[in-house]
Amino acid sequence: QKEVEQNSGPLSVPEGAIASLNCTYSDRVSQSFFWYRQYSGKSPELIMSIYSNGDKEDGRFTAQLNKASQYVSLLIRDSQPSDSATYLCAVNRQAGTALIFGKGTTLSVSS
Amino acid sequence: GAVVSQHPSRVICKSGTSVKIECRSLDFQATTMFWYRQFPKKSLMLMATSNEGSKATYEQGVEKDKFLINHASLTLSTLTVTSAHPEDSSFYICSARADSGSRLEQYFGPGTRLTVT
Repeated sequence: QKEVEQNSGPLSVPEGAIASLNCTYSDRVSQSFFWYRQYSGKSPELIMSIYSNGDKEDGRFTAQLNKASQYVSLLIRDSQPSDSATYLCAVNRQAGTALIFGKGTTLSVSS
Repeated sequence: GAVVSQHPSRVICKSGTSVKIECRSLDFQATTMFWYRQFPKKSLMLMATSNEGSKATYEQGVEKDKFLINHASLTLSTLTVTSAHPEDSSFYICSARADSGSRLEQYFGPGTRLTVT
């Protein structure tokens, strides 16, 4: 079982819709969870971090964490064509260790 | 967010030469920096973890004598690709972790695109 799993997509949504990106992780002791956005040919950009169960909202983005189900998601409201990118889920098991990345989900928002 | 710079952004070198890539955290201190490589349409691959003042920890399969990492200060880490070959052509990206209590956000530099001819 891979440590961090994401559906590779592509996930296609119309402009203005809600895009829902999902991620599961295998290690129960994981403590910190992150979502990065990567445009083609560019490096990843941190968009959300979440450390405790529940929802965390930042503008159009909402991260949701359920440690019991080992599941973290990212919701993008009012999706825009500029949101079209690959979204990487990353998990940190413990302080001092490197992030473990999923392979990413490609999101395509059509106008 | 925190800013990480990388230099150069793009480099073309001849086979057999060495290339040094710099990674700097501009507005925060980073005890730990990471080096990744990424091939087109592939996922990030962690190469090594760089800790200030100590030897880097390399991932399995990464040759430490080929990819020399130095983390001389809390704001600078360098990756030197020695005796580069065409198969080393890739997108190299560094990241730095902001040391702020329990927060573990990791910020990426813009990347260096290396082409070995």
